[in-house]
Amino acid sequence: DTGVSQDPRHKITKRGQNVTFRCDPISEHNRLYWYRQTLGQGPEFLTYFQNEAQLEKSRLLSDRFSAERPKGSFSTLEIQRTEQGDSAMYLCASSPTQGLRGYTFGSGTRLTVV
Amino acid sequence: AQKITQTQPGMFVQEKEAVTLDCTYDTSDQSYGLFWYKQPSSGEMIFLIYQGSYDEQNATEGRYSLNFQKARKSANLVISASQLGDSAMYFCAMREESNAGGTSYGKLTFGQGTILTVHP
Repeated sequence: DTGVSQDPRHKITKRGQNVTFRCDPISEHNRLYWYRQTLGQGPEFLTYFQNEAQLEKSRLLSDRFSAERPKGSFSTLEIQRTEQGDSAMYLCASSPTQGLRGYTFGSGTRLTVV
Repeated sequence: AQKITQTQPGMFVQEKEAVTLDCTYDTSDQSYGLFWYKQPSSGEMIFLIYQGSYDEQNATEGRYSLNFQKARKSANLVISASQLGDSAMYFCAMREESNAGGTSYGKLTFGQGTILTVHP
């Protein structure tokens, strides 16, 4: 088990371009979460999946953001028409459905919109 | 809605001494879980400790303990015998839980974080 993997680690894009991030969770975990973290702040919840079903979306997730988890394994987060305010670290985490231990986070994708 | 407040932007501690990081929370949920995470400069979030709202005893994990005061809605993290490697950002977080003693995973709500610096 190699933990939660996120790709790419860093992404620099021009304003207005579309970007897509990938998250590979721990294989036994059926829940997958996306968070956004700006510098010096705590992570903010964006959305989460149980298997392939998207169970909850934050109001932060504007219509420019879309997340998918086809087949209930890896997930992608796409941002269309990026804006400078989208610059942040995008964290993915996974968990089982039940348990007392913490969620497992990936190392994140740092997005810079120039 | 759930809210986590961490009022200490930064804390300093001498190596080998204990330090307390404050966390207060607000929720209307009857059943909830409280977490602390460590985030070093490399960026990954590392789970430290968990406390369920119905747990009567304070949680402990090695050098970490959680001082849970339910009536005051506080969940402070105590790190004993600080080490240089403890220097990092620390986040308090909570989740709603499905029933008394329930452990169903859902979204986490995080506080703003506290930067801890351990001096030699």
